[in-house]
Amino acid sequence: DSGVTQTPKHLITATGQRVTLRCSPRSGDLSVYWYQQSLDQGLQFLIQYYNGEERAKGNILERFSAQQFPDLHSELNLSSLELGDSALYFCASSVVQGNGGYTFGSGTRLTVV
Amino acid sequence: AQTVTQSQPEMSVQEAETVTLSCTYDTSESNYYLFWYKQPPSRQMILVIRQEAYKQQNATENRFSVNFQKAAKSFSLKISDSQLGDTAMYFCAFRMDSNYQLIWGAGTKLIIKP
Repeated sequence: DSGVTQTPKHLITATGQRVTLRCSPRSGDLSVYWYQQSLDQGLQFLIQYYNGEERAKGNILERFSAQQFPDLHSELNLSSLELGDSALYFCASSVVQGNGGYTFGSGTRLTVV
Repeated sequence: AQTVTQSQPEMSVQEAETVTLSCTYDTSESNYYLFWYKQPPSRQMILVIRQEAYKQQNATENRFSVNFQKAAKSFSLKISDSQLGDTAMYFCAFRMDSNYQLIWGAGTKLIIKP
C-alpha cells in the first residue's frame, strides 16, 4: 500500500456519460497530480493541485476537470466520454512540489464502451 | 520542449544477469530531476531511483544504479543480479526544477527468465 488511495479501481461506462475519479493523497502530502496512461504508452500529465489550488495544467481536455478539496483529496471529472478516453488514470502525491519522488496510487482503469 | 526517449521497447535476460536500460532526454535546462519507475503487472507505479542533475555522483539503490551522463543527456538504469520480481515495465521520467510535472518515456518491457 503506497498510501495514495484511488477509487474506484475499475470503471466501465458508456460513451457520452460522465464519471468522477477520486484520489486521497498520502498523509502529509499537499500536492496531487493526475496522469493518463493509454494502452502501451507512457503517462501523460493532466493537472496538478497544491493545497487546494491549481498549479499546473498539461494536455487536459476541456471535457475533463479536477479539483482539490480542503481535506486534500482530489477528484477528476470526465464528461462526454469517448472511446478514446479509455485508459488508466493515475493519481500521485508529493510532500512539497515534487522535490522528492512522487507516490502513485494504483490507478483507476476506465473503459468506455 | 522536453522529451524523454527509451529506445528499447522490450528486453529479456536470464535470472541473475545484469541488464541495462537506456534513456535519453532533451532539455535546455541546467537543473532538473530524473527518475526511473517500475510498473509490474499489478499496474502500481513504483519509484526505483532518482537523480538530481546537479549531483555528479550516480545514484544507487541496492541492485539498481544509474549511469548519468549530463553532457550526453543520458540516464541509463543498471539492474544487477536480476530477479524474477524485476519483470515489469520500466519508465524513465524527467522533471524540470521549475515545473513539477513529470515527462515520461514510452517505457521498456523487461522480462527476467528463470
